[in-house]
Amino acid sequence: AQKVTQAQTEISVVEKEDVTLDCVYETRDTTYYLFWYKQPPSGELVFLIRRNSFDEQNEISGRYSWNFQKSTSSFNFTITASQVVDSAVYFCALSERTGRRALTFGSGTRLQVQP
Amino acid sequence: NAGVTQTPKFQVLKTGQSMTLQCAQDMNHEYMSWYRQDPGMGLRLIHYSVGAGITDQGEVPNGYNVSRSTTEDFPLRLLSAAPSQTSVYFCASRSNTEAFFGQGTRLTVV
Repeated sequence: AQKVTQAQTEISVVEKEDVTLDCVYETRDTTYYLFWYKQPPSGELVFLIRRNSFDEQNEISGRYSWNFQKSTSSFNFTITASQVVDSAVYFCALSERTGRRALTFGSGTRLQVQP
Repeated sequence: NAGVTQTPKFQVLKTGQSMTLQCAQDMNHEYMSWYRQDPGMGLRLIHYSVGAGITDQGEVPNGYNVSRSTTEDFPLRLLSAAPSQTSVYFCASRSNTEAFFGQGTRLTVV
C-alpha cells in the first residue's frame, strides 16, 4: 500500500523567510510519480510539480525548489523569500505509473505567511 | 480548453436525499477518479475508472456509486445522503504523466 506523510500540519513564517515543506512517502512500486499541489483559500488544487521516480535531479522554478531523495523516500519543497500570496495548504501526492493511477495524498501542510 | 468541469460548485442536501455530482473532461483521458477532502485528512479516493465501462472502488466507496458510459463523463451518485458525506469533492482526470482536477464541489448534508 502507498502512503504519504506530511508531518508538518501548520507552519507560520514572516514574509521573506525561506520555508521547507517535508514529504515522506512509502511505496512498493519501483516506478512512480510524485506531485505537489497548492490549495489556496479559494479551494482549487493548483498543480506545482510532477517528478518521475527515476529522475532524481532537483528542480528549481523561480522561488520554488524541490529536493527528491529516493534513498530516504523524501520529496521536500522549499519556498525561498516567501510572500503572503504563498499562504495556502500544500499537498504532496504519490501515484502509480500503471494500474489505476490514482493519487495518494498526504494530509497537507498549511502555510501562513505573515506580512 | 475546459479541462475538467465539475458541477455544481456548492450543494446543500437533506439527509436521505439523492443527487449526482457531474464531472466531464475534454482531454480524451482514459483514467478518471473521484476524491473527497475532509479537514486534516487530505484527499481520499472514492472511486476510479480506467476507461469507459470500467469502474472500481477506492478507499472510501461506501455510500457512493459511479458509472462511466463515455470517456468524457464520470458522474458520482449519492443514493441516500448522510451527514458523514459532508465534504469537498474533487474529480480528477489523468494522462500518463499529469493529473488534472476540477474546481471541487462543496457538499453539505443537513
